[in-house]
Amino acid sequence: QTVVTQEPSLTVSPGGTVTLTCASSTGAVTSGHYPNWFQQKPGQAPRALIYATSNKYSWTPARFSGSLLGGKAALTLSGVQPEDEAEYHCLLYYAGSLLVFGGGTKLTVL
Amino acid sequence: QVQLVQSGAEVKKPGASVKVSCKASGYTFAGYFIHWVRQAPGQGLEWMGRINPYSVGTNYAQKFQGRITMTRDTSISTVYMELSSLTSDDTAVYYCAREDSDSGARGDYWGQGTLVTVSS
Repeated sequence: QTVVTQEPSLTVSPGGTVTLTCASSTGAVTSGHYPNWFQQKPGQAPRALIYATSNKYSWTPARFSGSLLGGKAALTLSGVQPEDEAEYHCLLYYAGSLLVFGGGTKLTVL
Repeated sequence: QVQLVQSGAEVKKPGASVKVSCKASGYTFAGYFIHWVRQAPGQGLEWMGRINPYSVGTNYAQKFQGRITMTRDTSISTVYMELSSLTSDDTAVYYCAREDSDSGARGDYWGQGTLVTVSS
């Protein structure tokens, strides 16, 4: 069974920079996993932020960026705002048209 | 504007089945896959499967094989997810989400979620 791993929690100061990562139990994450990133606030549906590793939606704030870093997918927030406090989820695509979510990272802005 | 509107909350007994609907509007229904994702209380997101509304082809997560069925009704731009043999572990919020397979954008739009509670 494929497992996708994210940091359970991270803390960042307002205005700071933080990188969240997403690792696959099958090996290095590549562009072929088409990493997607989502933000979720309590009581709300997830909101898409990044698709296919590094592409932003029209509504994605400029301070969010996606990349591949050290064999993992990464989501970097630069100039963190208080409203960025949320749960962040990554999603990876695998052969056979199967998808797996990571466990989520709870980001605290403090 | 793109919208996915899901059916209302359900309460089911163990062993029963539940069928949740997801009505799409604001785009060409047959042109985009629909995924189903669930979230148990206090837990992360779990991918359940997807359906191609054009071909009716489906892909299901291994965990749900044998007790999940995804269907669609193109006349009303609606996708359905039916889960059978429910247990308390199936208590969760169930979401539908759209995929733009050409771009790799999975989950660009989401439904509001449907709470399914399984309790005797």
